[in-house]
Amino acid sequence: GAVVSQHPSRVICKSGTSVKIECRSLDFQATTMFWYRQFPKQSLMLMATSNEGSKATYEQGVEKDKFLINHASLTLSTLTVTSAHPEDSSFYICSASRPTDNSPLHFGNGTRLTVT
Amino acid sequence: DAKTTQPTSMDCAEGRAANLPCNHSTISGNEYVYWYRQIHSQGPQYIIHGLKNNETNEMASLIITEDRKSSTLILPHATLRDTAVYYCIVRVDYGGATNKLIFGTGTLLAVQP
Repeated sequence: GAVVSQHPSRVICKSGTSVKIECRSLDFQATTMFWYRQFPKQSLMLMATSNEGSKATYEQGVEKDKFLINHASLTLSTLTVTSAHPEDSSFYICSASRPTDNSPLHFGNGTRLTVT
Repeated sequence: DAKTTQPTSMDCAEGRAANLPCNHSTISGNEYVYWYRQIHSQGPQYIIHGLKNNETNEMASLIITEDRKSSTLILPHATLRDTAVYYCIVRVDYGGATNKLIFGTGTLLAVQP
């Protein structure tokens, strides 16, 4: 069964509004989670590393003030797209791994964001 | 940057074995080879990973060459549901798996009826 849950699966919002996406690790604690973005017919692009209890680490070119990440507990990370624009429309995916040796990253089922 | 090279696309007949190659000629001694697949509009699904020995699980087999510069993912009996983009990724595994995965372009496997 799924080990990482993501919500919502789809969201449509108006330009200028903010949208929050949740990522939960199921039955395990994740001190680190990762957020990816995927445009149509492209590969996944890592946006940021979410660290429980500290600031997220953003990849080069990703605006930290636009994509707010909060990892307030060991099972929940949230990504908020602030002041969304149509170009932010994309597929957002989170991932986490069990804190054991050789444990692979598991991914949520993604959130399809459409900004109108 | 992704450290792997994969063919853009491949076809496979249903019921036959699908062999997906991956080149990782610059792999370091402590880097593992991971395989994931992504079915359309879903998150990536973990398949298998290995360091230097061949590995097998209920989904697939992973064959890593002795020099570790390339590997092959084998789906023994492909079905239509195996149609997906398959990603080969190299990653250092420190345990606890806090290292990020960097995705390349992957191989689109189309299983034909």
